[in-house]
Amino acid sequence: KAGVTQTPRYLIKTRGQQVTLSCSPISGHRSVSWYQQTPGQGLQFLFEYFSETQRNKGNFPGRFSGRQFSNSRSEMNVSTLELGDSALYLCASSLGFLADTGELFFGEGSRLTVL
Amino acid sequence: AQSVSQHNHHVILSEAASLELGCNYSYGGTVNLFWYVQYPGQHLQLLLKYFSGDPLVKGIKGFEAEFIKSKFSFNLRKPSVQWSDTAEYFCAVNAKGNNRLAFGKGNQVVVIP
Repeated sequence: KAGVTQTPRYLIKTRGQQVTLSCSPISGHRSVSWYQQTPGQGLQFLFEYFSETQRNKGNFPGRFSGRQFSNSRSEMNVSTLELGDSALYLCASSLGFLADTGELFFGEGSRLTVL
Repeated sequence: AQSVSQHNHHVILSEAASLELGCNYSYGGTVNLFWYVQYPGQHLQLLLKYFSGDPLVKGIKGFEAEFIKSKFSFNLRKPSVQWSDTAEYFCAVNAKGNNRLAFGKGNQVVVIP
């Protein structure tokens, strides 16, 4: 079956702009999480959505936001982009709680470069 | 909040050598433990996981990890590496009851043929 799909795969923006990234989870998966991956900070949790509700949130400023639609697809938005927002943004999906399902499935990521 | 430490960020070894990657976590409650691998140009994939039971868990491609509760450790091992094991390896911790993973900074492993 198809894996987690993220679009776009690559994008370049300038400081001050905003960006929207999209994630389609594996069919049937209701939980979608977002992570930021940078060389300096590694993988950091942004937020998690389950059945259209934000269930958990990491320590990122309010410029980072997300949402989930009724078909479980998710988008994340970063407003007023800063140079430090350049990163690989990873989406992961799961059927439900990790304790029950055992695994997060990751997409290939959206690589954002902010100039 | 959970935190995860991985040491020796860059590891270079020859084929057939043994590999051990350390992982220590900081969290007082019950945790689930994972090792993920990211091959060059590919997405993160689960290597193995520990939820409960036998503290020695076996994963894919000959990898295994041992959970030592008293040391808050979950070290990854492979007795004999291959060139195809060249990848970045991430240890991750999840507090039971949520889907949030706390990752270590990763180990970049290069296996020389």
